[in-house]
Amino acid sequence: GDSVTQTEGLVTVTEGLPVMLNCTYQTAYSDVAFFWYVQYLNEAPKLLLRSSTDNKRTEHQGFHATLHKSSSSFHLQKSSVQLSDSALYYCALSQQGTGSKLSFGKGAKLTVSP
Amino acid sequence: DAAVTQKPRYLIKMKGQEAEMKCIPEKGHTAVFWYQQKQSKELKFLIYFQNQQPLDQIDMVKERFSAVCPSSSLCSLGIRTCEAEDSALYLCSSSQFGGDSYEQYFGPGTRLTVL
Repeated sequence: GDSVTQTEGLVTVTEGLPVMLNCTYQTAYSDVAFFWYVQYLNEAPKLLLRSSTDNKRTEHQGFHATLHKSSSSFHLQKSSVQLSDSALYYCALSQQGTGSKLSFGKGAKLTVSP
Repeated sequence: DAAVTQKPRYLIKMKGQEAEMKCIPEKGHTAVFWYQQKQSKELKFLIYFQNQQPLDQIDMVKERFSAVCPSSSLCSLGIRTCEAEDSALYLCSSSQFGGDSYEQYFGPGTRLTVL
């Protein structure tokens, strides 16, 4: 089945510095979409980024990620983190099409310190 | 923002008791998913409904859970006999059939504690 391996556990970054959360995947399917979800404390996960196009940079809220099918990766990056970026970040994939469940990585808790 | 509602937000049960939680998907969404999240860790897929019919589920759900969507505006997930390992945040999400994104919108979850 599908699997997602991502930076997991605690990630602490000083405000204003860059961050990269790694995400690699395994899937037997070619028509797959990739996601980054962010979950703030006591809130629902929200979609941060989505991509299904190889080598195309996707950006939202200062974060960006590029799907690289050659390396099976979809790393999340931000050049300058803010205190408000502290949250749980999940990488996920699903087969294209409604009805396809999301397969999540184990999540990374980003803490931005002053 | 899409609005998926889940009730109750918190649920406390004793081991062996039955538990039930409800989800109201976003209006117009025909796909409903349930996920289990333990201690802010990975989200584990449980079951998927399309047009109120269960189309995919893991073995644990078949064995110990009961899940239905009696209408397009209400779904429920139940645990027949709660065990300590069932303590988790249960998240419901919905998505719209068709379109390009198939984005799933999540509700705030029901936090189940089994004592």
